[in-house]
Amino acid sequence: QKEVEQNSGPLSVPEGAIASLNCTYSDRGSQSFFWYRQYSGKSPELIMSIYSNGDKEDGRFTAQLNKASQYVSLLIRDSQPSDSATYLCAVSLGGSYIPTFGRGTSLIVHP
Amino acid sequence: SAVISQKPSRDICQRGTSLTIQCQVDSQVTMMFWYRQQPGQSLTLIATANQGSEATYESGFVIDKFPISRPNLTFSTLTVSNMSPEDSSIYLCSAGQGMTQETQYFGPGTRLLVL
Repeated sequence: QKEVEQNSGPLSVPEGAIASLNCTYSDRGSQSFFWYRQYSGKSPELIMSIYSNGDKEDGRFTAQLNKASQYVSLLIRDSQPSDSATYLCAVSLGGSYIPTFGRGTSLIVHP
Repeated sequence: SAVISQKPSRDICQRGTSLTIQCQVDSQVTMMFWYRQQPGQSLTLIATANQGSEATYESGFVIDKFPISRPNLTFSTLTVSNMSPEDSSIYLCSAGQGMTQETQYFGPGTRLLVL
Protein backbone atom coordinates (compact mmCIF):
# COMPACT_ATOMS: atom_id res chain seq x y z
CA GLN A 1 0.00 0.00 0.00
CA LYS A 2 1.31 3.39 -0.97
CA GLU A 3 1.71 5.56 2.12
CA VAL A 4 3.17 8.74 3.52
CA GLU A 5 4.06 8.49 7.20
CA GLN A 6 4.59 11.23 9.75
CA ASN A 7 4.86 11.21 13.52
CA SER A 8 1.75 12.99 14.76
CA GLY A 9 3.63 14.60 17.66
CA PRO A 10 3.26 17.02 19.22
CA LEU A 11 6.85 18.08 18.76
CA SER A 12 7.67 20.72 21.34
CA VAL A 13 10.72 22.96 20.92
CA PRO A 14 11.82 26.14 22.67
CA GLU A 15 11.82 29.43 20.83
CA GLY A 16 15.00 29.90 18.85
CA ALA A 17 15.72 26.19 18.50
CA ILE A 18 15.76 24.09 15.32
CA ALA A 19 12.61 22.07 14.73
CA SER A 20 13.08 18.89 12.71
CA LEU A 21 10.04 17.32 11.07
CA ASN A 22 10.30 13.97 9.36
CA CYS A 23 8.38 12.09 6.70
CA THR A 24 8.84 8.67 5.12
CA TYR A 25 7.12 7.33 2.05
CA SER A 26 6.54 3.92 0.58
CA ASP A 27 7.23 4.33 -3.13
CA ARG A 28 10.87 4.47 -4.21
CA GLY A 29 9.86 5.91 -7.58
CA SER A 30 8.33 9.06 -6.12
CA GLN A 31 9.63 12.27 -7.66
CA SER A 32 7.81 15.21 -6.08
CA PHE A 33 7.68 16.19 -2.43
CA PHE A 34 5.90 19.02 -0.66
CA TRP A 35 5.65 20.53 2.80
CA TYR A 36 2.51 22.38 3.87
CA ARG A 37 1.76 24.30 7.04
CA GLN A 38 -1.73 24.28 8.51
CA TYR A 39 -2.70 26.56 11.35
CA SER A 40 -5.60 25.48 13.51
CA GLY A 41 -8.87 26.28 11.78
CA LYS A 42 -7.15 27.26 8.53
CA SER A 43 -6.42 25.51 5.26
CA PRO A 44 -2.98 24.13 4.30
CA GLU A 45 -0.51 26.55 2.75
CA LEU A 46 2.50 25.49 0.72
CA ILE A 47 5.87 26.05 2.36
CA MET A 48 8.11 24.49 -0.22
CA SER A 49 8.59 21.73 -2.73
CA ILE A 50 11.64 19.59 -3.42
CA TYR A 51 12.40 17.26 -6.30
CA SER A 52 16.13 16.40 -6.10
CA ASN A 53 18.21 14.71 -3.45
CA GLY A 54 19.89 17.06 -1.03
CA ASP A 55 18.90 20.26 0.70
CA LYS A 56 16.74 23.14 -0.44
CA GLU A 57 16.69 26.29 1.62
CA ASP A 58 14.09 29.05 1.74
CA GLY A 59 14.56 31.55 4.52
CA ARG A 60 14.37 29.75 7.87
CA PHE A 61 13.10 26.57 6.19
CA THR A 62 15.25 23.78 4.77
CA ALA A 63 13.83 20.71 3.09
CA GLN A 64 16.05 17.65 2.92
CA LEU A 65 15.41 14.76 0.55
CA ASN A 66 17.00 11.33 0.51
CA LYS A 67 15.34 9.19 -2.13
CA ALA A 68 17.48 6.13 -1.38
CA SER A 69 16.20 6.12 2.20
CA GLN A 70 12.72 7.29 1.13
CA TYR A 71 12.87 10.11 3.59
CA VAL A 72 12.11 13.82 3.43
CA SER A 73 12.47 16.26 6.28
CA LEU A 74 11.79 19.89 7.06
CA LEU A 75 14.05 21.91 9.31
CA ILE A 76 12.87 25.17 10.79
CA ARG A 77 15.68 27.31 12.14
CA ASP A 78 15.22 29.92 14.84
CA SER A 79 11.75 28.58 15.60
CA GLN A 80 9.16 31.15 16.62
CA PRO A 81 5.86 30.71 18.48
CA SER A 82 4.18 31.71 15.21
CA ASP A 83 5.56 28.52 13.68
CA SER A 84 3.27 26.50 15.95
CA ALA A 85 1.07 24.60 13.51
CA THR A 86 0.57 21.21 11.91
CA TYR A 87 3.04 20.41 9.14
CA LEU A 88 1.83 18.15 6.36
CA CYS A 89 4.15 16.18 4.12
CA ALA A 90 2.82 15.36 0.65
CA VAL A 91 4.38 12.99 -1.87
CA SER A 92 3.43 12.17 -5.44
CA LEU A 93 3.51 8.39 -5.10
CA GLY A 94 3.83 5.93 -7.95
CA GLY A 95 4.08 8.54 -10.67
CA SER A 96 0.74 10.07 -9.75
CA TYR A 97 0.35 13.78 -10.33
CA ILE A 98 -1.85 13.99 -7.24
CA PRO A 99 0.18 14.09 -4.00
CA THR A 100 -0.74 11.86 -1.09
CA PHE A 101 -0.78 13.70 2.23
CA GLY A 102 0.56 12.41 5.51
CA ARG A 103 -1.35 12.83 8.76
CA GLY A 104 0.81 15.79 9.75
CA THR A 105 3.05 16.60 12.70
CA SER A 106 1.90 19.08 15.29
CA LEU A 107 4.67 21.52 16.22
CA ILE A 108 4.56 23.63 19.37
CA VAL A 109 7.16 26.35 19.83
CA HIS A 110 7.12 27.60 23.40
CA PRO A 111 8.57 30.93 24.49
CA SER B 1 0.06 31.07 -6.90
CA ALA B 2 -3.67 30.73 -7.43
CA VAL B 3 -6.07 32.51 -5.10
CA ILE B 4 -9.05 30.35 -4.28
CA SER B 5 -12.33 31.27 -2.62
CA GLN B 6 -15.05 29.00 -1.31
CA LYS B 7 -18.67 29.57 -0.40
CA PRO B 8 -20.15 29.06 2.12
CA SER B 9 -17.39 29.27 4.70
CA ARG B 10 -19.51 27.31 7.15
CA ASP B 11 -23.00 25.87 7.46
CA ILE B 12 -25.18 23.91 9.82
CA CYS B 13 -27.55 21.54 8.03
CA GLN B 14 -30.25 19.05 8.90
CA ARG B 15 -29.79 15.40 8.08
CA GLY B 16 -31.30 14.33 4.79
CA THR B 17 -30.69 17.67 3.10
CA SER B 18 -28.02 18.60 0.55
CA LEU B 19 -25.45 21.37 0.46
CA THR B 20 -23.59 22.71 -2.57
CA ILE B 21 -20.15 24.20 -2.01
CA GLN B 22 -18.71 26.57 -4.59
CA CYS B 23 -15.04 27.01 -5.42
CA GLN B 24 -13.70 29.90 -7.50
CA VAL B 25 -10.10 30.27 -8.71
CA ASP B 26 -8.68 33.60 -9.81
CA SER B 27 -6.97 32.09 -12.86
CA GLN B 28 -7.58 29.24 -15.26
CA VAL B 29 -6.34 25.92 -13.94
CA THR B 30 -6.45 22.48 -15.46
CA MET B 31 -6.83 20.46 -12.29
CA MET B 32 -9.14 21.11 -9.37
CA PHE B 33 -9.64 18.81 -6.43
CA TRP B 34 -12.02 18.30 -3.54
CA TYR B 35 -10.81 17.07 -0.17
CA ARG B 36 -12.39 16.26 3.16
CA GLN B 37 -10.61 16.81 6.45
CA GLN B 38 -12.11 15.52 9.66
CA PRO B 39 -10.98 17.00 12.99
CA GLY B 40 -7.40 16.05 13.81
CA GLN B 41 -7.05 14.09 10.59
CA SER B 42 -5.21 14.61 7.38
CA LEU B 43 -6.66 15.37 3.98
CA THR B 44 -8.70 12.74 2.18
CA LEU B 45 -9.12 13.23 -1.55
CA ILE B 46 -12.74 12.92 -2.61
CA ALA B 47 -12.37 13.50 -6.34
CA THR B 48 -10.63 15.31 -9.15
CA ALA B 49 -12.92 17.77 -10.91
CA ASN B 50 -12.36 17.51 -14.65
CA GLN B 51 -13.44 20.29 -16.97
CA GLY B 52 -15.71 18.98 -19.68
CA SER B 53 -16.05 15.47 -18.31
CA GLU B 54 -17.17 13.58 -15.23
CA ALA B 55 -15.19 13.87 -12.04
CA THR B 56 -12.79 11.11 -11.08
CA TYR B 57 -13.72 9.72 -7.66
CA GLU B 58 -11.43 8.06 -5.15
CA SER B 59 -12.22 4.78 -3.53
CA GLY B 60 -15.02 5.14 -1.02
CA PHE B 61 -16.61 8.16 -2.67
CA VAL B 62 -19.43 7.97 -5.22
CA ILE B 63 -21.04 10.41 -7.58
CA ASP B 64 -24.53 9.97 -6.13
CA LYS B 65 -23.33 11.14 -2.73
CA PHE B 66 -20.84 13.79 -3.89
CA PRO B 67 -21.84 15.11 -7.32
CA ILE B 68 -19.30 17.52 -8.75
CA SER B 69 -19.57 20.08 -11.51
CA ARG B 70 -16.73 21.76 -13.40
CA PRO B 71 -18.30 24.04 -16.02
CA ASN B 72 -15.10 25.95 -16.83
CA LEU B 73 -11.42 26.29 -15.89
CA THR B 74 -12.00 28.59 -12.91
CA PHE B 75 -15.02 27.15 -11.11
CA SER B 76 -16.26 23.95 -9.51
CA THR B 77 -18.98 22.83 -7.14
CA LEU B 78 -19.25 19.92 -4.75
CA THR B 79 -22.64 18.80 -3.47
CA VAL B 80 -22.93 16.75 -0.31
CA SER B 81 -26.19 14.87 -0.78
CA ASN B 82 -28.60 13.31 1.69
CA MET B 83 -26.39 14.38 4.56
CA SER B 84 -25.89 12.51 7.81
CA PRO B 85 -23.94 13.56 10.91
CA GLU B 86 -20.99 11.50 9.59
CA ASP B 87 -20.63 14.06 6.80
CA SER B 88 -19.71 16.74 9.32
CA SER B 89 -16.26 17.80 8.26
CA ILE B 90 -14.20 20.47 6.57
CA TYR B 91 -14.41 20.38 2.79
CA LEU B 92 -11.49 21.89 0.90
CA CYS B 93 -11.13 22.81 -2.72
CA SER B 94 -7.69 22.98 -4.29
CA ALA B 95 -6.14 23.84 -7.62
CA GLY B 96 -3.08 22.25 -9.13
CA GLN B 97 -0.35 24.42 -10.61
CA GLY B 98 3.15 24.01 -11.92
CA MET B 99 4.44 22.00 -14.86
CA THR B 100 2.80 18.77 -13.71
CA GLN B 101 -0.05 20.40 -11.76
CA GLU B 102 1.22 18.67 -8.59
CA THR B 103 1.65 21.80 -6.51
CA GLN B 104 -1.69 22.37 -4.87
CA TYR B 105 -3.12 25.56 -3.49
CA PHE B 106 -6.09 25.36 -1.18
CA GLY B 107 -9.19 27.38 -0.62
CA PRO B 108 -10.15 28.44 2.92
CA GLY B 109 -12.49 25.49 3.37
CA THR B 110 -16.14 24.98 4.21
CA ARG B 111 -16.95 23.84 7.73
CA LEU B 112 -20.04 21.67 7.68
CA LEU B 113 -21.98 20.48 10.70
CA VAL B 114 -24.87 18.08 10.11
CA LEU B 115 -27.40 17.71 12.92
